[in-house]
Amino acid sequence: EAGVAQSPRYKIIEKRQSVAFWCNPISGHATLYWYQQILGQGPKLLIQFQNNGVVDDSQLPKDRFSAERLKGVDSTLKIQPAKLEDSAVYLCASSEGVYYGYTFGSGTRLTVV
Amino acid sequence: AQSVTQLDSQVPVFEEAPVELRCNYSSSVSVYLFWYVQYPNQGLQLLLKYLSGSTLVESINGFEAEFNKSQTSFHLRKPSVHISDTAEYFCGGGAQKLVFGQGTRLTINP
Repeated sequence: EAGVAQSPRYKIIEKRQSVAFWCNPISGHATLYWYQQILGQGPKLLIQFQNNGVVDDSQLPKDRFSAERLKGVDSTLKIQPAKLEDSAVYLCASSEGVYYGYTFGSGTRLTVV
Repeated sequence: AQSVTQLDSQVPVFEEAPVELRCNYSSSVSVYLFWYVQYPNQGLQLLLKYLSGSTLVESINGFEAEFNKSQTSFHLRKPSVHISDTAEYFCGGGAQKLVFGQGTRLTINP
């Protein structure tokens, strides 16, 4: 089966600019997650979707981050405006349920200068 | 609060030596426990998981992990490592969502 697709792979922007990341999960996976992985740290959950509804966004900085999952399939994560501390790898994962484990995409490496 | 703690940020070992990567979890994340591996510039790949039943779980490439409820640990072991095992390893746990530890970088010296 095809894996989780993410784009772009790399992005460099200046602080205060905006950026968007795209994720296409595995077909049939109802649950989609966005994680932020800062260099040297473990992934931190930003937002969890079940179909096209938000289940958990408690750690999403809502003043600058937004995410949507239209029609319960693809998802986009947006940052506006970006700060230097947003430099990280943004990982998308999908799952049929935690019991089955997650399948991760290759991530988008964001550098804010 | 849910938490997973990996006790070592880096573990250097010689090729063909045994290795143990340590992971402790809080009781709130103990429903399901996982180990993932991350190679450079890639996403996380599932290595093995504990769901229930036998406390010893194995992966197809020689790794194993033991669920120890009394010590709230889920340590990862391999009796003989190869250069190709060089990667970062993440322990994760949870029921509705996975919480990950900080990661352990395994480096193999020839």
